[in-house]
Amino acid sequence: EDKVVQSPLSLVVHEGDTVTLNCSYEVTNFRSLLWYKQEKKAPTFLFMLTSSGIEKKSGRLSSILDKKELFSILNITATQTGDSAVYLCAVEAGLYGNKLVFGAGTILRVKS
Amino acid sequence: EAQVTQNPRYLITVTGKKLTVTCSQNMNHEYMSWYRQDPGLGLRQIYYSMNVEVTDKGDVPEGYKVSRKEKRNFPLILESPSPNQTSLYFCASRLLAGGYNEQFFGPGTRLTVL
Repeated sequence: EDKVVQSPLSLVVHEGDTVTLNCSYEVTNFRSLLWYKQEKKAPTFLFMLTSSGIEKKSGRLSSILDKKELFSILNITATQTGDSAVYLCAVEAGLYGNKLVFGAGTILRVKS
Repeated sequence: EAQVTQNPRYLITVTGKKLTVTCSQNMNHEYMSWYRQDPGLGLRQIYYSMNVEVTDKGDVPEGYKVSRKEKRNFPLILESPSPNQTSLYFCASRLLAGGYNEQFFGPGTRLTVL
């Protein structure tokens, strides 16, 4: 059975802190790993990772994939209150990339 | 504006009363999918469609039906809703060609079955 596990389940930090969110997976026919941010509405796309060891960056967010150890991390530096959200990790799997398997998410709260 | 729309956005119904949640996209995407989101479980895929008249089960298809008669529409049908189908539902679509393409989500439908 395909599964994606995220940790921690929730996290409370102060503005300016750096956080690392974890995602491990076990799926058949891995194609890509995706990170989404969800703020009380539909998830919004952050990153797609397909190759090991290549860091993707967008502003204060960055992510990397390890296909040998089957995990990914999402880093957020200099956190702001606007980063408070649920962060979802999803893995595209299946022969035609037809399945998207989500983790339960990490709830991040950034206090001012 | 490129978007995925869902209707209704909120629905309260009673056990056994058939309902349909509509989903429509204006981006000519081949792939469409339905998810349900429950606390602590993330999003789980209910059904997906790779193109018109091509649908398949996701991880939690029991109690749901779908159809894909036109490329733009992918309705979710609950023939006999039960309280355990109370959830937040998202429809999504994306292009299939050219590797992974970003999946666009609709705004969500919050369903309560009493």
